[in-house]
Amino acid sequence: AQKVTQAQTEISVVEKEDVTLDCVYETRDTTYYLFWYKQPPSGELVFLIRRNSFDEQNEISGRYSWNFQKSTSSFNFTITASQVVDSAVYFCALSSFTGNQFYFGTGTSLTVIP
Amino acid sequence: DADVTQTPRNRITKTGKRIMLECSQTKGHDRMYWYRQDPGLGLRLIYYSFDVKDINKGEISDGYSVSRQAQAKFSLSLESAIPNQTALYFCATSDSGQGQETQYFGPGTRLLVL
Repeated sequence: AQKVTQAQTEISVVEKEDVTLDCVYETRDTTYYLFWYKQPPSGELVFLIRRNSFDEQNEISGRYSWNFQKSTSSFNFTITASQVVDSAVYFCALSSFTGNQFYFGTGTSLTVIP
Repeated sequence: DADVTQTPRNRITKTGKRIMLECSQTKGHDRMYWYRQDPGLGLRLIYYSFDVKDINKGEISDGYSVSRQAQAKFSLSLESAIPNQTALYFCATSDSGQGQETQYFGPGTRLLVL
């Protein structure tokens, strides 16, 4: 069965703090993809990153970084020096190699307090 | 202009009414999807289509139907709306082929069924 767990329902941090959003997944596939999406208060879903199961290299994009560890089935997302504009709901998602279905976590609501 | 558009953006309807939500895309993608988002439940897949002649049920298709009128258009119908179909509905698209599994979302339609 495919499943994505985001155990942190809500997180609040003070501006400029670092914050890590956890994502744990379950899959029987040997090849799969992992994603993070951002949903700001306006409601749209913004694609942030895609990772395939063969590439465990961590990725950094500005203040965002992602840590993929197959050994623990985790794909965690860290925001460094958080800003108020980072306040949003963040979703982790998993898809099979064929990409025919996405499985979303329940989301983590991040509030950055000025 | 947005690559994936949804109409209407907001809709209020009464129990028992038939309504249609529409999705159009200019990304040239083969695959289209409909999701609903409920608080605390993340996104759940309703239907998906890999091309004009292909329609597949997702996790929660009961009470919904879809039509893929063209490669660029995918509509979702609620034949007889009920209050528990009140939700935020998203259309998404993705390209076919390996490495193209990323889904891109429309802005969402907020539906309230009274």
